[in-house]
Amino acid sequence: DQQVKQNSPSLSVQEGRISILNCDYTNSMFDYFLWYKKYPAEGPTFLISISSIKDKNEDGRFTVFLNKSAKHLSLHIVPSQPGDSAVYFCAASANAGGTSYGKLTFGQGTILTVHP
Amino acid sequence: NAGVTQTPKFRILKIGQSMTLQCTQDMNHNYMYWYRQDPGMGLKLIYYSVGAGITDKGEVPNGYNVSRSTTEDFPLRLELAAPSQTSVYFCASRPRSGRASLYFGPGTRLTVT
Repeated sequence: DQQVKQNSPSLSVQEGRISILNCDYTNSMFDYFLWYKKYPAEGPTFLISISSIKDKNEDGRFTVFLNKSAKHLSLHIVPSQPGDSAVYFCAASANAGGTSYGKLTFGQGTILTVHP
Repeated sequence: NAGVTQTPKFRILKIGQSMTLQCTQDMNHNYMYWYRQDPGMGLKLIYYSVGAGITDKGEVPNGYNVSRSTTEDFPLRLELAAPSQTSVYFCASRPRSGRASLYFGPGTRLTVT
């Protein structure tokens, strides 16, 4: 039962253009969503997050959009740079009355390649 | 701060052998986690701990054991290695309060043959 899905295994974009990475979830209890970036041979690093009380959160070149009715979120990177080439993971957590203890459920990841 | 450190970086085990993956964090985080990542898959939670002496199972705990005797250390034990445990293992930690993100270690790549 894949509760968080990233249906695009890979995405290729040109430097300077927009990258859009998508993520869908099925668990209605999820109320906090995060994006992580992972380079080869390194651990994932936190990129940006959004609470379910918002529909948009922006941090520099990175914006995350949340559509709760569609159970869908997306990460926009504008403009894309070659250094953004990495695997991007979507993750979700549920507050569950404070008993979730920060556990995250991850999607499968999307490999982003930004060409110079 | 070194953050979250993991040893070893790589290991090859024979079927049936045992080993312990080490994880240490120097950020005084209460919560710690072990995830595994298989090729083309997301990270799956093996075990987690909310403080010294307290551990609980995650999504895929079979074949593993953990202990948490100190705030800093959270070792993962494989007792009878099986080929299905070939994976990359990530340890992570976060503070107790709020909705903070997880801080991950660099991972241990384990091959069981």
